[in-house]
Amino acid sequence: DAGVTQSPTHLIKTRGQQVTLRCSPKSGHDTVSWYQQALGQGPQFIFQYYEEEERQRGNFPDRFSGHQFPNYSSELNVNALLLGDSALYLCASSFAKGTSPTYEQYFGPGTRLTVT
Amino acid sequence: GENVEQHPSTLSVQEGDSAVIKCTYSDSASNYFPWYKQELGKRPQLIIDIRSNVGEKKDQRIAVTLNKTAKHFSLHITETQPEDSAVYFCAASNLAGGTSYGKLTFGQGTILTVHP
Repeated sequence: DAGVTQSPTHLIKTRGQQVTLRCSPKSGHDTVSWYQQALGQGPQFIFQYYEEEERQRGNFPDRFSGHQFPNYSSELNVNALLLGDSALYLCASSFAKGTSPTYEQYFGPGTRLTVT
Repeated sequence: GENVEQHPSTLSVQEGDSAVIKCTYSDSASNYFPWYKQELGKRPQLIIDIRSNVGEKKDQRIAVTLNKTAKHFSLHITETQPEDSAVYFCAASNLAGGTSYGKLTFGQGTILTVHP
């Protein structure tokens, strides 16, 4: 049973560029949440996708956008990259459908984004 | 929105001692409180969680207590071992709906070091 996977592992971009990060949820999970973790800090919630729609959004600008596909995988897009966007981007999956949803969020290994 | 404060930021103990990490939250609607362990360069891993309908939950050497009135919850690790050394994060969420539904708000983290 595969856990949450993310790609790529590491990424280096230049200010002003755009980046796309990818996430595949744990088998059986239907909900994907994205978090940004700056060095030495706790993860900060970016947004959550369920049934291919953005259900919740944190305090992040519109430069951060996402998508969920019918197979529940998800993408995080960041436009006009800033130096401050350098961080570990974590994807977490959970299961929200049916009569016995489980709300535990399981994290992927993350994508380390460096903006120069 | 929800705000989670975590203390201490660093904790150093001798092997075999107990460790206690405390968190307070601000939103009385929060009803789900997970704890994550994050080793250097790895993903956050869920180690225990508690819902607001119980006051305490235990899993071997790890326990979590919740005081809804005071809006604080704590992680207790007994008989600590060197492999317990990691960063520990508390989080809060509202599983009942509302603007915080599905969103984990994390504390700032506690660096736990267990000396052999």
